[in-house]
Amino acid sequence: DAGVIQSPRHEVTEMGQEVTLRCKPISGHDYLFWYRQTMMRGLELLIYFNNNVPIDDSGMPEDRFSAKMPNASFSTLKIQPSEPRDSAVYFCASSLFRNTEAFFGQGTRLTVV
Amino acid sequence: QQQVKQSPQSLIVQKGGISIINCAYENTAFDYFPWYQQFPGKGPALLIAIRPDVSEKKEGRFTISFNKSAKQFSLHIMDSQPGDSATYFCAASISGSRLTFGEGTQLTVNP
Repeated sequence: DAGVIQSPRHEVTEMGQEVTLRCKPISGHDYLFWYRQTMMRGLELLIYFNNNVPIDDSGMPEDRFSAKMPNASFSTLKIQPSEPRDSAVYFCASSLFRNTEAFFGQGTRLTVV
Repeated sequence: QQQVKQSPQSLIVQKGGISIINCAYENTAFDYFPWYQQFPGKGPALLIAIRPDVSEKKEGRFTISFNKSAKQFSLHIMDSQPGDSATYFCAASISGSRLTFGEGTQLTVNP
């Protein structure tokens, strides 16, 4: 398996534009997580899914953020409209069960100018 | 109560030395304590993990020490190597799933 695949690796967009980040988890993993990493706040969990169902979205900062998982092999994180303070590295991770290793993707570095 | 406090923020060690990173937590419901290693431009990767029913776990040069009564756990890297230079995160979760990460420690091992 190629691991967790995220796209794009880098995204530069203008304030106010819609941004969509994509993630393909490891096949067979039941849990999918979206994290955001910044210097100021470290690694923050935004939302996680179990069997494609959102379980906890309490980390989603604002209504401008939304996440979907239409099937077991694909998830999106959307920011609309984007703002400069959304600039960060966004990671997707997946795991097989609870309390097991979470495998992280390479991340998407988002810059909003 | 969901916080995990990590120290130090940065650490410089000579090659062959011991690197020690500490974490403390408040929520006694946490039952899974992993350590992740992150290299620049990469996602975090699991290094070693422990559950509260044991006080120590060793994998190669990496050891987790766990003190349940003090609500603290630490990572020890023996014989530190320049290739160990990375950012290390402790984390904790309740029955899996939602990992709460510490602030991270940037480790530099000088040759």
